[in-house]
Amino acid sequence: DAKTTQPPSMDCAEGRAANLPCNHSTISGNEYVYWYRQIHSQGPQYIIHGLKNNETNEMASLIITEDRKSSTLILPHATLRDTAVYYCIVRVGSYAPYQKVTFGTGTKLQVIP
Amino acid sequence: DGGITQSPKYLFRKEGQNVTLSCEQNLNHDAMYWYRQDPGQGLRLIYYSQIVNDFQKGDIAEGYSVSREKKESFPLTVTSAQKNPTAFYLCASHPGGGNDEKLFFGSGTQLSVL
Repeated sequence: DAKTTQPPSMDCAEGRAANLPCNHSTISGNEYVYWYRQIHSQGPQYIIHGLKNNETNEMASLIITEDRKSSTLILPHATLRDTAVYYCIVRVGSYAPYQKVTFGTGTKLQVIP
Repeated sequence: DGGITQSPKYLFRKEGQNVTLSCEQNLNHDAMYWYRQDPGQGLRLIYYSQIVNDFQKGDIAEGYSVSREKKESFPLTVTSAQKNPTAFYLCASHPGGGNDEKLFFGSGTQLSVL
Protein backbone atom coordinates (compact mmCIF):
# COMPACT_ATOMS: atom_id res chain seq x y z
CA ASP A 1 0.00 0.00 0.00
CA ALA A 2 1.09 3.56 -0.66
CA LYS A 3 2.65 5.56 2.16
CA THR A 4 1.25 8.87 3.40
CA THR A 5 2.90 12.00 4.75
CA GLN A 6 1.19 14.38 7.18
CA PRO A 7 2.38 17.40 9.16
CA PRO A 8 3.03 16.39 12.77
CA SER A 9 0.86 19.09 14.30
CA MET A 10 -1.57 21.91 13.52
CA ASP A 11 -3.57 24.48 15.46
CA CYS A 12 -7.03 25.74 14.62
CA ALA A 13 -9.21 28.38 16.28
CA GLU A 14 -12.52 27.13 17.60
CA GLY A 15 -15.34 27.76 15.12
CA ARG A 16 -12.99 28.02 12.16
CA ALA A 17 -12.45 25.41 9.47
CA ALA A 18 -9.63 22.95 10.08
CA ASN A 19 -7.86 21.86 6.92
CA LEU A 20 -5.62 18.83 7.38
CA PRO A 21 -3.37 17.93 4.44
CA CYS A 22 -2.08 14.53 3.43
CA ASN A 23 0.42 13.61 0.75
CA HIS A 24 0.12 10.23 -0.96
CA SER A 25 2.16 10.74 -4.11
CA THR A 26 2.65 7.00 -4.78
CA ILE A 27 -1.03 6.12 -4.59
CA SER A 28 -2.25 3.55 -7.07
CA GLY A 29 -5.40 3.80 -9.15
CA ASN A 30 -7.32 1.32 -7.00
CA GLU A 31 -6.30 2.74 -3.62
CA TYR A 32 -8.75 4.72 -1.55
CA VAL A 33 -7.86 7.49 0.91
CA TYR A 34 -9.23 7.01 4.43
CA TRP A 35 -9.21 9.28 7.43
CA TYR A 36 -9.47 8.22 11.08
CA ARG A 37 -9.02 10.22 14.24
CA GLN A 38 -7.92 9.27 17.74
CA ILE A 39 -8.94 11.28 20.75
CA HIS A 40 -6.48 10.96 23.61
CA SER A 41 -6.47 7.51 25.27
CA GLN A 42 -9.26 6.19 23.06
CA GLY A 43 -9.39 3.97 20.00
CA PRO A 44 -9.33 5.55 16.54
CA GLN A 45 -12.62 6.40 14.88
CA TYR A 46 -13.42 6.30 11.17
CA ILE A 47 -14.21 9.69 9.63
CA ILE A 48 -14.49 9.44 5.86
CA HIS A 49 -12.98 7.87 2.76
CA GLY A 50 -12.86 8.48 -0.99
CA LEU A 51 -11.33 7.38 -4.28
CA LYS A 52 -11.21 10.42 -6.56
CA ASN A 53 -14.35 12.43 -6.04
CA ASN A 54 -14.82 14.82 -3.18
CA GLU A 55 -16.83 13.34 -0.33
CA THR A 56 -18.86 14.84 2.50
CA ASN A 57 -20.58 13.34 5.49
CA GLU A 58 -21.86 14.59 8.81
CA MET A 59 -18.37 14.74 10.27
CA ALA A 60 -16.17 16.17 7.55
CA SER A 61 -15.38 16.77 3.89
CA LEU A 62 -12.62 15.12 1.90
CA ILE A 63 -11.04 16.91 -1.04
CA ILE A 64 -8.80 14.80 -3.30
CA THR A 65 -6.67 16.49 -5.94
CA GLU A 66 -7.24 15.59 -9.56
CA ASP A 67 -3.93 13.73 -9.78
CA ARG A 68 -4.82 11.98 -6.47
CA LYS A 69 -1.39 12.65 -5.04
CA SER A 70 -2.73 14.60 -2.10
CA SER A 71 -5.92 15.22 -0.17
CA THR A 72 -7.32 17.52 2.49
CA LEU A 73 -9.68 16.67 5.32
CA ILE A 74 -11.88 19.60 6.22
CA LEU A 75 -13.66 20.00 9.55
CA PRO A 76 -15.92 22.95 8.69
CA HIS A 77 -16.45 24.36 12.18
CA ALA A 78 -13.87 22.96 14.57
CA THR A 79 -14.84 22.50 18.22
CA LEU A 80 -12.70 21.66 21.23
CA ARG A 81 -13.93 18.06 20.92
CA ASP A 82 -12.17 17.83 17.56
CA THR A 83 -8.77 18.00 19.30
CA ALA A 84 -7.25 14.65 18.33
CA VAL A 85 -4.64 12.90 16.21
CA TYR A 86 -5.84 12.53 12.62
CA TYR A 87 -4.58 9.63 10.53
CA CYS A 88 -4.57 9.58 6.74
CA ILE A 89 -4.18 6.09 5.28
CA VAL A 90 -4.54 4.45 1.89
CA ARG A 91 -6.19 1.11 1.30
CA VAL A 92 -6.92 -0.95 -1.78
CA GLY A 93 -10.67 -0.70 -2.23
CA SER A 94 -13.21 -2.39 -0.03
CA TYR A 95 -11.70 -5.83 -0.31
CA ALA A 96 -8.17 -5.38 0.91
CA PRO A 97 -7.47 -6.59 4.41
CA TYR A 98 -6.58 -3.97 6.94
CA GLN A 99 -3.43 -5.87 7.94
CA LYS A 100 -1.74 -4.25 4.96
CA VAL A 101 -2.61 -0.75 6.11
CA THR A 102 -0.12 1.41 7.99
CA PHE A 103 -1.28 3.89 10.63
CA GLY A 104 1.59 6.36 10.93
CA THR A 105 1.98 9.14 13.46
CA GLY A 106 -0.74 11.33 11.94
CA THR A 107 -1.38 15.02 12.57
CA LYS A 108 -2.09 16.22 16.08
CA LEU A 109 -4.79 18.88 15.75
CA GLN A 110 -5.15 21.29 18.64
CA VAL A 111 -8.35 23.35 18.61
CA ILE A 112 -7.80 26.56 20.51
CA PRO A 113 -10.62 28.41 22.34
CA ASP B 1 -25.26 -1.32 21.60
CA GLY B 2 -22.93 -3.11 19.21
CA GLY B 3 -19.24 -2.56 19.62
CA ILE B 4 -15.88 -3.78 20.81
CA THR B 5 -15.13 -4.11 24.49
CA GLN B 6 -11.59 -4.21 25.79
CA SER B 7 -10.78 -5.01 29.38
CA PRO B 8 -9.28 -4.07 31.66
CA LYS B 9 -8.71 -0.37 30.92
CA TYR B 10 -5.47 -0.42 32.93
CA LEU B 11 -3.26 -3.44 33.63
CA PHE B 12 -0.02 -3.87 35.52
CA ARG B 13 2.46 -6.64 34.91
CA LYS B 14 5.16 -7.91 37.21
CA GLU B 15 8.50 -9.19 35.97
CA GLY B 16 8.25 -12.67 34.48
CA GLN B 17 4.47 -12.63 34.46
CA ASN B 18 2.15 -13.37 31.57
CA VAL B 19 -0.94 -11.19 31.29
CA THR B 20 -3.98 -11.49 29.07
CA LEU B 21 -5.89 -8.61 27.52
CA SER B 22 -9.51 -9.24 26.65
CA CYS B 23 -11.24 -8.18 23.43
CA GLU B 24 -14.88 -9.02 22.77
CA GLN B 25 -17.07 -7.86 19.90
CA ASN B 26 -20.80 -8.27 19.25
CA LEU B 27 -20.68 -6.91 15.71
CA ASN B 28 -20.56 -10.36 14.11
CA HIS B 29 -17.28 -9.40 12.45
CA ASP B 30 -15.02 -12.06 10.97
CA ALA B 31 -11.71 -10.15 11.14
CA MET B 32 -10.06 -9.00 14.35
CA TYR B 33 -6.77 -7.21 14.99
CA TRP B 34 -4.41 -6.31 17.81
CA TYR B 35 -2.28 -3.17 17.64
CA ARG B 36 0.36 -1.73 19.92
CA GLN B 37 0.78 2.03 20.31
CA ASP B 38 3.74 3.64 22.04
CA PRO B 39 3.59 7.31 23.16
CA GLY B 40 3.60 9.69 20.19
CA GLN B 41 3.78 6.81 17.74
CA GLY B 42 1.45 5.22 15.23
CA LEU B 43 -0.19 1.81 15.46
CA ARG B 44 1.83 -1.34 14.93
CA LEU B 45 0.11 -4.61 14.09
CA ILE B 46 0.75 -7.49 16.50
CA TYR B 47 -1.61 -10.25 15.33
CA TYR B 48 -4.69 -10.52 13.20
CA SER B 49 -7.37 -13.12 12.57
CA GLN B 50 -9.56 -13.25 9.51
CA ILE B 51 -11.71 -16.13 10.68
CA VAL B 52 -12.34 -18.30 13.71
CA ASN B 53 -9.56 -20.76 14.55
CA ASP B 54 -7.08 -18.96 12.34
CA PHE B 55 -4.67 -16.12 13.08
CA GLN B 56 -1.51 -14.65 11.59
CA LYS B 57 1.49 -12.76 12.91
CA GLY B 58 1.69 -9.07 12.26
CA ASP B 59 4.77 -6.87 12.24
CA ILE B 60 5.69 -7.19 15.92
CA ALA B 61 4.38 -10.59 17.10
CA GLU B 62 7.42 -11.64 19.16
CA GLY B 63 6.56 -11.94 22.84
CA TYR B 64 2.81 -12.08 22.21
CA SER B 65 0.29 -14.86 21.64
CA VAL B 66 -3.37 -14.96 20.67
CA SER B 67 -6.25 -17.37 20.24
CA ARG B 68 -9.47 -17.20 18.24
CA GLU B 69 -11.71 -19.99 19.50
CA LYS B 70 -14.89 -17.94 19.19
CA LYS B 71 -15.89 -15.42 16.57
CA GLU B 72 -16.59 -12.74 19.15
CA SER B 73 -13.39 -13.11 21.19
CA PHE B 74 -9.72 -12.46 20.40
CA PRO B 75 -7.63 -12.36 23.60
CA LEU B 76 -4.01 -11.22 23.54
CA THR B 77 -1.44 -12.64 25.96
CA VAL B 78 1.66 -10.60 26.65
CA THR B 79 4.26 -13.14 27.67
CA SER B 80 7.35 -12.73 29.81
CA ALA B 81 9.37 -12.89 26.58
CA GLN B 82 8.11 -9.39 25.71
CA LYS B 83 10.78 -7.32 27.43
CA ASN B 84 9.22 -3.93 26.85
CA PRO B 85 5.47 -4.44 27.20
CA THR B 86 4.53 -0.97 28.45
CA ALA B 87 2.22 0.44 25.77
CA PHE B 88 -1.38 1.17 24.81
CA TYR B 89 -3.00 -1.87 23.22
CA LEU B 90 -5.88 -1.55 20.77
CA CYS B 91 -8.20 -4.23 19.47
CA ALA B 92 -10.13 -3.71 16.25
CA SER B 93 -12.56 -5.60 14.06
CA HIS B 94 -13.81 -5.57 10.51
CA PRO B 95 -16.64 -7.48 8.81
CA GLY B 96 -14.29 -8.91 6.20
CA GLY B 97 -15.08 -9.88 2.65
CA GLY B 98 -15.47 -6.32 1.47
CA ASN B 99 -18.73 -5.83 3.31
CA ASP B 100 -17.78 -2.60 5.01
CA GLU B 101 -15.21 0.12 4.71
CA LYS B 102 -14.56 0.79 8.35
CA LEU B 103 -12.27 -0.61 10.98
CA PHE B 104 -13.92 -0.51 14.40
CA PHE B 105 -11.71 -0.02 17.46
CA GLY B 106 -12.10 -0.73 21.14
CA SER B 107 -11.21 1.85 23.77
CA GLY B 108 -7.83 0.31 24.51
CA THR B 109 -5.88 -1.19 27.42
CA GLN B 110 -2.91 0.61 28.97
CA LEU B 111 -0.36 -1.96 30.12
CA SER B 112 2.40 -0.94 32.50
CA VAL B 113 5.23 -2.84 34.13
CA LEU B 114 5.59 -2.73 37.91
